[in-house]
Amino acid sequence: KNQVEQSPQSLIILEGKNCTLQCNYTVSPFSNLRWYKQDTGRGPVSLTIMTFSENTKSNGRYTATLDADTKQSSLHITASQLSDSASYICVVSPLNNNDMRFGAGTRLTVKP
Amino acid sequence: DAGVIQSPRHEVTEMGQEVTLRCKPISGHNSLFWYRQTMMRGLELLIYFNNNVPIDDSGMPEDRFSAKMPNASFSTLKIQPSEPRDSAVYFCASRAQGTAIPTDTQYFGPGTRLTVL
Repeated sequence: KNQVEQSPQSLIILEGKNCTLQCNYTVSPFSNLRWYKQDTGRGPVSLTIMTFSENTKSNGRYTATLDADTKQSSLHITASQLSDSASYICVVSPLNNNDMRFGAGTRLTVKP
Repeated sequence: DAGVIQSPRHEVTEMGQEVTLRCKPISGHNSLFWYRQTMMRGLELLIYFNNNVPIDDSGMPEDRFSAKMPNASFSTLKIQPSEPRDSAVYFCASRAQGTAIPTDTQYFGPGTRLTVL
């Protein structure tokens, strides 16, 4: 069973709308949680990194939250743009371990 | 900054052939990672190096896969012999590993799309 589960698997929204992507994990203890954006045909690009002691981190229109008690994270996208169409991947790193556990990603499509 | 460079960008080969994928990390980065991405399994870490030394290769699927990093600016991932199930996108990523691991960011290359017929 994957230790990082993402939902929804895919999402279609209209340009200008907000959306929230979810990440549930069982990795414990963990060092940090990252959200990556991956455009079609390209490598992932880091959006946010949060340590276990942080509960929110923003990067422009992207805001990630983390609840270490419930082992949940979310990525909120505000005022979506067509360029936000991509896969968003949640990655959790175990403590004292360089390994990383990847979620399967959420495929977001923003339509005009 | 040219970012992480991978070559070739696309590779089509026949089953049984040897395949070599290449990666040039960002200058000054001392950690390098090889990943494989498929629709079925998502991103998987294959192996990573710190200061040119392989640290964890537990993700390498089998003996047909091997990786080397002869110097700080070059790494290869070799598949011999290749099989159709090896078809995937292979990413290389590099990182400047500092003392604060939680803040380290990996920078990914554009990937090599491998198709084994």
